[in-house]
Parts: sequence; C-alpha cells; structure tokens
Amino acid sequence: AQSVSQHNHHVILSEAASLELGCNYSYGGTVNLFWYVQYPGQHLQLLLKYFSGDPLVKGIKGFEAEFIKSKFSFNLRKPSVQWSDTAEYFCAVNAPKIYNQGGKLIFGQGTELSVKP
Amino acid sequence: NAGVTQTPKFQVLKTGQSMTLQCAQDMNHNSMYWYRQDPGMGLRLIYYSASEGTTDKGEVPNGYNVSRLNKREFSLRLESAAPSQTSVYFCASSENLFTASRGDTQYFGPGTRLTVL
Repeated sequence: AQSVSQHNHHVILSEAASLELGCNYSYGGTVNLFWYVQYPGQHLQLLLKYFSGDPLVKGIKGFEAEFIKSKFSFNLRKPSVQWSDTAEYFCAVNAPKIYNQGGKLIFGQGTELSVKP
Repeated sequence: NAGVTQTPKFQVLKTGQSMTLQCAQDMNHNSMYWYRQDPGMGLRLIYYSASEGTTDKGEVPNGYNVSRLNKREFSLRLESAAPSQTSVYFCASSENLFTASRGDTQYFGPGTRLTVL
C-alpha cells in the first residue's frame, strides 16, 4: 500500500551536531511534500513545504529539505541543531487523487528529536 | 486572526459516554479535517470536509461522526466513547483539497487531549 515512511523513530544529538531526518513516500505522479514540527505540548506547525520548482527548500529556523524525485525522498536537514529544536518532526505528503488516499495529507510516523545541551 | 481553534483542550470520559469536539477556523478555508494522533502512528485522518455541506470518511472513521455546521465550523462527535479512542485530536483546515495543479497547506489547531476510562 502507498505510504509515507520515516525511518528514524528517535534521534538523539548533541548541540551543534548536524541533522538529517529521512522521509520516503511511495506515490507516483505529482506530490506536494511537507515537514511539520510539534514542540512539546504544542500543536503542529509547518516547517517547510515543496510544491514545485527548486527541489531544495528552505524553511524556518535554519531547516531545509531536498526533494529527490528519483528516490521518492524528502529528507530534512539542519547543519547545526540547538536544544530548542527538541521536538517531534512529521513528514507529510499530499498524494494525487488517483490513489485511494488522494487529495488528503498522509503523515509519516514521526521522528522524535532530542538535543542534549 | 486566531487561525484554527479547538475546544475543549482536555477531556476525560467514561466508556459509553458521548461528547462533541468543536473546531473553528477564521481563514475562510473551504476544507477542514479531523485527525487523531497516537504514539508511533503519526496522524491519521478520521473525517474530512472538502467544502461546506460535504463530509467524507478518512482512514479511521469508525466510532465517529462529523458535522460541517457552516464554512467556519467542523465538529467531531463520539457517540459512545471507548478506551481505544483515547488520543490527541487535531482539527486542521486548508484553502482547498489538494489537486495536481495546486497544493494547499493545512493549518492545525492546538489539539484536544481525550482520555476514555
């Protein structure tokens, strides 16, 4: 079945370390891709999104993501994490309507990031 | 401009009780959604409303009903709560559902933490 996969369930880093969170999806055709962040006790906030154009997308707080169509991937990166980046990160895909889940936002399982000061 | 608001923030129910979760958005969006968030499972779509007057089932609709009261409001009802419905519920809205030519960002409310005993 079509899906969105985040391979890392929990990542622990020290401050200033570099971050890369993986996201893969299995839908063909035109997709829109999102990364959302959920800080402890808060609701989901949009971090960045890809609709079209430059596959390297820059978001808020120094995050960026690269859409690699051939790999069906949209990995999130940050060169130097801070303690305040501790949160759960969700990748999401708007799948084309040809799919059963089409027209709706499909979320990955989430990756919990813990940054040690 | 409050975005997406939800009430209540917390609720404890006994098995078999009923309740309605309220959601409202002030962004003049056409589409609204209800998700539940469970550990390790990301967000799963319960029901959605593409536009005022329409509602459709999402991935996990069993045990829930919805009402799109008007363009602003979209409520979720649990008729007979079960412990399996213990979760955090998020409402979201977007300008429209995704199409191949337009991708719409979803904006999320703060969530309702529901416990069913």
